[in-house]
Amino acid sequence: DAGVTQSPTHLIKTRGQQVTLRCSPKSGHDTVSWYQQALGQGPQFIFQYYEEEERQRGNFPDRFSGHQFPNYSSELNVNALLLGDSALYLCASGRGATNEKLFFGSGTQLSVL
Amino acid sequence: SQQGEEDPQALSIQEGENATMNCSYKTSINNLQWYRQNSGRGLVHLILIRSNEREKHSGRLRVTLDTSKKSSSLLITASRAADTASYFCATEGGAGGTSYGKLTFGQGTILTVHP
Repeated sequence: DAGVTQSPTHLIKTRGQQVTLRCSPKSGHDTVSWYQQALGQGPQFIFQYYEEEERQRGNFPDRFSGHQFPNYSSELNVNALLLGDSALYLCASGRGATNEKLFFGSGTQLSVL
Repeated sequence: SQQGEEDPQALSIQEGENATMNCSYKTSINNLQWYRQNSGRGLVHLILIRSNEREKHSGRLRVTLDTSKKSSSLLITASRAADTASYFCATEGGAGGTSYGKLTFGQGTILTVHP
């Protein structure tokens, strides 16, 4: 039983570019949340997708957008990249709209130069 | 913004000793969870305690919650070198609150267990 898978594992972009990160949830899970973790900090909530809709959103600008597909997989898109967007991006999956016992992927390390 | 503050920021102990980490939060919660992270990669869920519970055990883990003080503690007994990791508390707010439907993480405690 595969857990949460994220791709790519590492990514290097330059300022102003756009990036798409992908996540496949754990089997049986239908909710996907995205978190940004800066070096030495705790993860910060970006948004949550459930039933293909954005259900909750954290304090992130509109440059951050997402999508959930009918198979429950999800994408995180970031436009007009800034140096400060460099971070580990974590995807977490769960069942229903609950945030109890989330399963996290290993993350995508994004570096913006 | 970070809801929780964790204390200490770093903890260094010998194998066999107990490790205690504390977490404080600011708003009302539905539940509080502890997660572990190895080497800056994915987080692993350890234990969840609901707002109407005061103490919970899972193996070598013991979690307490004091909603009047808005604080929680995680105790790892008989620590092992393999427990070396970062530990985060995360809260989910109650329905109707601004933190409902998302987890708000603290900044974490870095635990080092020396063999």
